[in-house]
Amino acid sequence: NAGVMQNPRHLVRRRGQEARLRCSPMKGHSHVYWYRQLPEEGLKFMVYLQKENIIDESGMPKERFSAEFPKEGPSILRIQQVVRGDSAAYFCASSPPASEKLFFGSGTQLSVL
Amino acid sequence: QKEVEQNSGPLSVPEGAIASLNCTYSDRGSQSFFWYRQYSGKSPELIMFIYSNGDKEDGRFTAQLNKASQYVSLLIRDSQPSDSATYLCAVKGGAAGNKLTFGGGTRVLVKP
Repeated sequence: NAGVMQNPRHLVRRRGQEARLRCSPMKGHSHVYWYRQLPEEGLKFMVYLQKENIIDESGMPKERFSAEFPKEGPSILRIQQVVRGDSAAYFCASSPPASEKLFFGSGTQLSVL
Repeated sequence: QKEVEQNSGPLSVPEGAIASLNCTYSDRGSQSFFWYRQYSGKSPELIMFIYSNGDKEDGRFTAQLNKASQYVSLLIRDSQPSDSATYLCAVKGGAAGNKLTFGGGTRVLVKP
């Protein structure tokens, strides 16, 4: 059973470009969470999704950021018109229904030049 | 006041000693409590979770929860150099709902 898969591992973008981060949850997991981590800091919650639904997006910046988890395919975190302050590690986590345990992917390191 | 607070460390312990990590949380409605370990450049991995007041032991790890005082701690017995990592405390429930809210982490250094 493969773990949570994130790609790409590293993503370099220039200011103003778009970044698309992908996350495939573990088999049987229907809940996906996105977190952002700045160097030497803890994980900051961004958004919680179930298939085709955004359950909690209270941690998402109001502009430029969006997330989806379609019926088929991976969850996507999309950042439009990236700025240097978006540079961070973005982690995806998944959990099965009725479970409180989160399993994290390896993360995507976004660098904005 | 941060929702989940941890001392950033580093907490330096000699090999074989007990490492004691503390975490306090602000939401009295929090119901579930987790400890994750994160090696530098890697993803967090779950090592312990606790729901009820008291102690919970798993191998060399013991989690302690005191809801009245709103703190949760992690003890690492017989510390090994491989335990050197950042330990993240996380809480769930209450106003935060289903998401995990993490503290800033405590860096632990185990010296041979």
